[in-house]
Amino acid sequence: GDSVTQMEGPVTLSEEAFLTINCTYTATGYPSLFWYVQYPGEGLQLLLKATKADDKGSNKGFEATYRKETTSFHLEKGSVQVSDSAVYFCALSDGNFNKFYFGSGTKLNVKP
Amino acid sequence: NAGVTQTPKFQVLKTGQSMTLQCAQDMNHEYMSWYRQDPGMGLRLIHYSVGAGITDQGEVPNGYNVSRSTTEDFPLRLLSAAPSQTSVYFCASSNSPRQPQHFGDGTRLSIL
Repeated sequence: GDSVTQMEGPVTLSEEAFLTINCTYTATGYPSLFWYVQYPGEGLQLLLKATKADDKGSNKGFEATYRKETTSFHLEKGSVQVSDSAVYFCALSDGNFNKFYFGSGTKLNVKP
Repeated sequence: NAGVTQTPKFQVLKTGQSMTLQCAQDMNHEYMSWYRQDPGMGLRLIHYSVGAGITDQGEVPNGYNVSRSTTEDFPLRLLSAAPSQTSVYFCASSNSPRQPQHFGDGTRLSIL
């Protein structure tokens, strides 16, 4: 079945450091891919998305490219801020039914 | 601009009690889902609905019932609460399978 695997956390970085959170997926078809962010005590918010191979999603300085050849959708940001501290979830939708598959989440801590 | 509204935000139950978690969305989305979030396990799909009158089971449906009598509402019922159902519950909606889901702020449920 479809699944998402993302790197375990927590990830601790200093402010202005480069961020990469790895995400790989398994899917039989052509899924849509998403990154969500969850701040403490809140629900998940969409950060960015990509719906087909080679698409690059971007938002608030975060980027991720849909790589079908490596089945990956790694999240990157060039310079993190303390306000980026949150839990990040990679997810995919198989497009057939309303079934989203989420990774286990990666907690990011950014220190001043 | 309410989006997805979940009530209550917090609840404590005793083992064996029943209760209903409410979820309402005002975006006219056909697709709605319930997830539970447990530490280190990401989000797991409990039940989902692709429209009024149509529901289906997700990954972890045991102990939960749902119904969808209107487009707006998708309540989740715990039939006989067990400590293993202590979790954070999220409701989500979207307007098509490949589009991002919009999440509520969650219901934090403790079962003693």
